Parts: sequence; C-alpha cells; structure tokens
Amino acid sequence: EDKVVQSPLSLVVHEGDTVTLNCSYEVTNFRSLLWYKQEKKAPTFLFMLTSSGIEKKSGRLSSILDKKELFSILNITATQTGDSAVYLCAASNAGGTSYGKLTFGQGTILTVHP
Amino acid sequence: DAGITQSPRHKVTETGTPVTLRCHQTENHRYMYWYRQDPGHGLRLIHYSYGVKDTDKGEVSDGYSVSRSKTEDFLLTLESATSSQTSVYFCAISESQRGETQYFGPGTRLLVL
Repeated sequence: EDKVVQSPLSLVVHEGDTVTLNCSYEVTNFRSLLWYKQEKKAPTFLFMLTSSGIEKKSGRLSSILDKKELFSILNITATQTGDSAVYLCAASNAGGTSYGKLTFGQGTILTVHP
Repeated sequence: DAGITQSPRHKVTETGTPVTLRCHQTENHRYMYWYRQDPGHGLRLIHYSYGVKDTDKGEVSDGYSVSRSKTEDFLLTLESATSSQTSVYFCAISESQRGETQYFGPGTRLLVL
C-alpha cells in the first residue's frame, strides 16, 4: 500500500522565521513528488519534483527531493502571515494504468504569527 | 485558476438519500479525479476518469459511483448517503499524460444527518 507521511503535523512560528516541512514516502513505481498549499479552500499547486538533488525555487519557497532516502523537504524562508496554511505533499505512482494517481500525506498546518 | 467548478458548494442531506455532486471543467483536460478530505486523513482518492466513459476506483470507492458522459463533466453519486460520508469533496483535473499535476476545484461541503 502506498504511503506518504508528513512531519510535523503542525508548526507555529513568528514572522521572519525559516521553516522546514518534511515528507517521506513509500510508493511503488514512484514517479514524482508534489507539494500543494491549502488555505481554507482548494489546494493550490506549488512544486513537482522528479529528480533527486535538484532544488526547485519560487520566491521564498524551495523544495528538494531525495529518491534514495525517499523524502522531500519544503523550505520557507522569511515567513509571513500569508504563509499560514496547510501544506500537503503527494507522491505519484506511475505503474501500469495508474494515470497519475496521487497518494497524499496528512498535511502540515503552518501558523505564522505577526 | 483552472476552469473548474463544483456544484453544489454546500449540501445538507439525510441518511439514506441519494446525492449527486457535479464537477465541470472548461479546460478540455482528459483526466479528472474525485477526492474526499477529512481531518487527519489528508486527501483520499475516491474515483478517477482517464477519458469519456473510462473510470476506475480509488482507495475509498465503497458507497460511491461516478459517471463521465462528456469530457467536461464528472459526476460523483452517493447511492445512499451515510453519516460517514460527511466530508469535503474536491474534484481535480489534469492535462499531463500521467495526470500528475492536478488542479483542484473549490470543493463541496456535504453534511449527512
């Protein structure tokens, strides 16, 4: 059974702090790891990672994948109150007729205080 | 935002009644998915579609059926709603061949009394 585990489950920080969110996975025929941000509405896409060791960046957010150790991290530097959200990671199974089926982790609830 | 709408956005129903949720897209994407989101479980796949009339089960499909008669519409039906099906339901679409980068609709909050 495919499994994705995120840690920590919740995190409270102050503006300006740097945070690291973790995602480990066990997925047969793994193809890619995706990160989403969810703010009281639909999840919005952040990153998709398919290659080990190549960092993806978007502003203050960055993410990297380690396919040997089966994990990914999402870093947010200089956090702002607008970063408060649930961060979801998901792993895709590329085997057979999986058609990009994603297995999601439980999510990390990030709260950024002013 | 990807052109995805869901209807209704909120629904309250009684145990034992049938319920149909609709997902409509204007992106002409091939792949469509239905998820449910519950506290402590993240998003779990109910059913998905890889083309018109082509559907398959996800990890939590019991009690649900789907239909896709047109590219733009994907319907989720709860044949006889139960309280355990109280949840937030999200539809997602993807254009990529492997369907990985999925874009989500606004969600439907369903309460089964």
